[in-house]
Amino acid sequence: GENVEQHPSTLSVQEGDSAVIKCTYSDSASNYFPWYKQELGKRPQLIIDIRSNVGEKKDQRIAVTLNKTAKHFSLHITETQPEDSAVYFCAAIFQKLVFGTGTRLLVSP
Amino acid sequence: NAGVTQTPKFRVLKTGQSMTLLCAQDMNHEYMYWYRQDPGMGLRLIHYSVGEGTTAKGEVPDGYNVSRLKKQNFLLGLESAAPSQTSVYFCASSYSRGARNQPQHFGDGTRLSIL
Repeated sequence: GENVEQHPSTLSVQEGDSAVIKCTYSDSASNYFPWYKQELGKRPQLIIDIRSNVGEKKDQRIAVTLNKTAKHFSLHITETQPEDSAVYFCAAIFQKLVFGTGTRLLVSP
Repeated sequence: NAGVTQTPKFRVLKTGQSMTLLCAQDMNHEYMYWYRQDPGMGLRLIHYSVGEGTTAKGEVPDGYNVSRLKKQNFLLGLESAAPSQTSVYFCASSYSRGARNQPQHFGDGTRLSIL
C-alpha cells in the first residue's frame, strides 16, 4: 500500500533560521501533496499544498518543492518565529490521503 | 459557517462498552473521513465516505463501523470498546472535483479513553 516517510521527527532551530522537513512517498500515481500544521491540542490545519503538475509553490515564508522522479517533497520555512513551533505533517494522495508520522518543530527565541 | 463539528469532545469508556462519535459538516462536502491519532504515528485513516449512503475501509478499520445516512453527517461507532482504541479521533471532510483532490478540513477532535 501507499506509504509516506517523513524526516526528521524533531527539529530545533533558532528564531530567524530556516527549517526544512522532507517526505518521500511510495505510490508514483500520487498527485496531491498537502502539508498540515498541528498545534498542541488543536486540529491539523492546512498550511500549503502542491499538485503533481507543479515543482514549487510559495506562500510568504513557506514553500514546498516536489520532485516527482525521486518521489519526494519538502517543506521550507524561512525566518522562523516562535509561533511556528508545532507538529507538521506531510501527506500524499492518490485514492486516499496517507500522512507522514510528523515533525515536531521547536523554534527558540 | 461552523465547518466540521465533532461531538463529544471527551469521553471515558469501560472496556466492552459501545458508543458513537458524531461528525457534522456544513460545507456541502462530498467526502468525509475518520482518522485516529496516536503518539508518534501520525494520522491513520479508519473509514471514509465518498458520498451519502457509501462507506469504505481505510488503513485501520477493525473494531469500528461507520454510517453516512445524510450527506452532512458521518458517524463512527465502537461496538465493543477496547483499551487499544484509546486515541484522539479526528473527522475531516473535503470536496471532490473529479480527479483533482481537494484539501481536507478537520474537526477539533474527540479524545477517547478506554479503561
